[in-house]
Amino acid sequence: DTAVSQTPKYLVTQMGNDKSIKCEQNLGHDTMYWYKQDSKKFLKIMFSYNNKELIINETVPNRFSPKSPDKAHLNLHINSLELGDSAVYFCASSQDRGNTIYFGEGSWLTVV
Amino acid sequence: GDSVTQMEGPVTLSEEAFLTINCTYTATGYPSLFWYVQYPGEGLQLLLKATKADDKGSNKGFEATYRKETTSFHLEKGSVQVSDSAVYFCALSEPGGYQKVTFGTGTKLQVIP
Repeated sequence: DTAVSQTPKYLVTQMGNDKSIKCEQNLGHDTMYWYKQDSKKFLKIMFSYNNKELIINETVPNRFSPKSPDKAHLNLHINSLELGDSAVYFCASSQDRGNTIYFGEGSWLTVV
Repeated sequence: GDSVTQMEGPVTLSEEAFLTINCTYTATGYPSLFWYVQYPGEGLQLLLKATKADDKGSNKGFEATYRKETTSFHLEKGSVQVSDSAVYFCALSEPGGYQKVTFGTGTKLQVIP
């Protein structure tokens, strides 16, 4: 069983569209994250949720909106996609803060 | 704030060569330190970690020692294989509170036969 799974793995879409990436973890963790990795492999945290509550919200455009229906799910919705949004988005989870983070396999988003 | 600095890559080595990837950090408290590895087309996965000074983390022939006096956590392996080719990330996490994990910029390792 995949511990942290995210869908879709690949997404190609046009500028201006709205898209969502879904994430689920079956590890029983109480903290989930979204990270963005650019073409140079630089990893930047976007959001973190603890027990469905938003605890970290880095400087991310308002077009990005996370939603956590329960502590096992953290979805990412992106409105009005721009070329600069092209990246790999990683969902992750951990038990409590500061412990080992378990990553999903990534969602490759390409905006054309 | 917290930060992690690791050597820039790419690092290219021949198979069976000795590997060192340097990592230094700045933190206000006593962080836990991690090395994550990202193989091509995959997410990051934990390679090893150390939670207090002088601890040595080890896994798959890799090791790193938590050096508080030099604020370092260098990754080493005595004999690399082609299958070790990946991007390696050093990271730290401060205990307590809603702290995020701070990642370094990653170091790409390429091992050639």
